[in-house]
Amino acid sequence: GNSVTQMEGPVTLSEEAFLTINCTYTATGYPSLFWYVQYPGEGLQLLLKATKADDKGSNKGFEATYRKETTSFHLEKGSVQVSDSAVYFCALSVQAAGNKLTFGGGTRVLVKP
Amino acid sequence: DAMVIQNPRYQVTQFGKPVTLSCSQTLNHNVMYWYQQKSSQAPKLLFHYYDKDFNNEADTPDNFQSRRPNTSFCFLDIRSPGLGDAAMYLCATSSRGQGARQETQYFGPGTRLLVL
Repeated sequence: GNSVTQMEGPVTLSEEAFLTINCTYTATGYPSLFWYVQYPGEGLQLLLKATKADDKGSNKGFEATYRKETTSFHLEKGSVQVSDSAVYFCALSVQAAGNKLTFGGGTRVLVKP
Repeated sequence: DAMVIQNPRYQVTQFGKPVTLSCSQTLNHNVMYWYQQKSSQAPKLLFHYYDKDFNNEADTPDNFQSRRPNTSFCFLDIRSPGLGDAAMYLCATSSRGQGARQETQYFGPGTRLLVL
């Protein structure tokens, strides 16, 4: 089956610190990979995505590279801001599974001034 | 801007009283999804429509129903809400083409349901 494992939070950082959230996956077939962000009281927003091996998704200073050899899609940001405080979800979809999203458990990130 | 809209953002209902949540989209996407999310856990897929075809998840309770009268709108009906149905309900859409390998789901802001 398909599954996503991401590091448990909460992750607490100071402003301007480097952020890494680990995400690994197992998939039957060739997955597309996503990071979604959820700010308090809001829905999920697509942060970035990658659809094939070695693709790098990037947005708002966040990056993640699709690593097929290590089945990983780690999220990174070089200098976080207080406004980056949110829950981050790693997810995959596989066409053979009807393109349904399989989510990781989410990682809460708290950035302190 | 093209978007996914959910109304209301907050809904209070009484135990056992039917409630309807609505979702609309201006993206002209042919797939619409409903998710339930509790306490910042991962969203749980309830069902989705691919055009007019309804696809229910195996573990979705019968208490949850959905309607899609046209491309733009989709409704979630909870026939007899219980206390355990209090949650955030998220609508999402995607564009699915013939043989398309990749789809991206776009989410609305959610409706938070409180059951008294």
